[in-house]
Amino acid sequence: DVKVTQSSRYLVKRTGEKVFLECVQDMDHENMFWYRQDPGLGLRLIYFSYDVKMKEKGDIPEGYSVSREKKERFSLILESASTNQTSMYLCASTIPGQGTYNEQFFGPGTRLTVL
Amino acid sequence: AQSVTQPDIHITVSEGASLELRCNYSYGATPYLFWYVQSPGQGLQLLLKYFSGDTLVQGIKGFEAEFKRSQSSFNLRKPSVHWSDAAEYFCAVGTTSGTYKYIFGTGTRLKVLA
Repeated sequence: DVKVTQSSRYLVKRTGEKVFLECVQDMDHENMFWYRQDPGLGLRLIYFSYDVKMKEKGDIPEGYSVSREKKERFSLILESASTNQTSMYLCASTIPGQGTYNEQFFGPGTRLTVL
Repeated sequence: AQSVTQPDIHITVSEGASLELRCNYSYGATPYLFWYVQSPGQGLQLLLKYFSGDTLVQGIKGFEAEFKRSQSSFNLRKPSVHWSDAAEYFCAVGTTSGTYKYIFGTGTRLKVLA
C-alpha cells in the first residue's frame, strides 16, 4: 500500500529555532511536494522536487528551504522559525513524470506551532 | 492568473440528503482536475480525477463529479450522504503547460446532521 510518512504529527518550537520537517515515501516516487495548509487559504505550495538534489520554488518559498539527498526523502527546513510559520505542513508525492496527470499521495501532516 | 474557487466554506446537510460541492477554476487550457477529501487529523485522499473523455467521472465512496468546460466547473456530487462523509473537501487543478504544479481551492467543510 502507498505510504507517505512525516516525522512528527505535532511539533512545538520557539521563535528563531531551526526546524526540520521530514517526509519519506516508500513508493519510489520521483516527485515530491511540500505544502502548508491554513484555514481559509487551502493548500499553498512551498517547494517541490522532481528528482534527487533538484528543487523548485513554489508559491510561498520565503523563509523555507528544502533538501532532497535521497529519492525517498524530502526535507523542509525553517532556517529561523517565526510565529507566522505556525501551520499544518503536508508532504505529497506522485509517480514519475513532470506532468500533473497523476494524483498526489499525501502524508498525515505535521502541525507546527512556533511560540 | 490560475486559480481554483470553492465558493462554499461550510456546508451542512442531513444524513441521506444529496450533496453538491462547487468548484470553479481559472486556467487557460483544459487542466487536469481532482477532488480530495481530508478527514480530521489526516492527510488528503483522492476521491476522483478528470483528465479527458467522459465528463462525468465516478470516484470512491459513491462520489461523482461533472466537468463542464463552458462553465469552468468541476462540481462534486453524492446522491445520499453518510455521517462518515463529514470532512473537508478540496478541489485541485493540475496545470498542463509551463511549470507543472497543482493548485488547490480553499476547501469546503462538510457537516452531516444525524
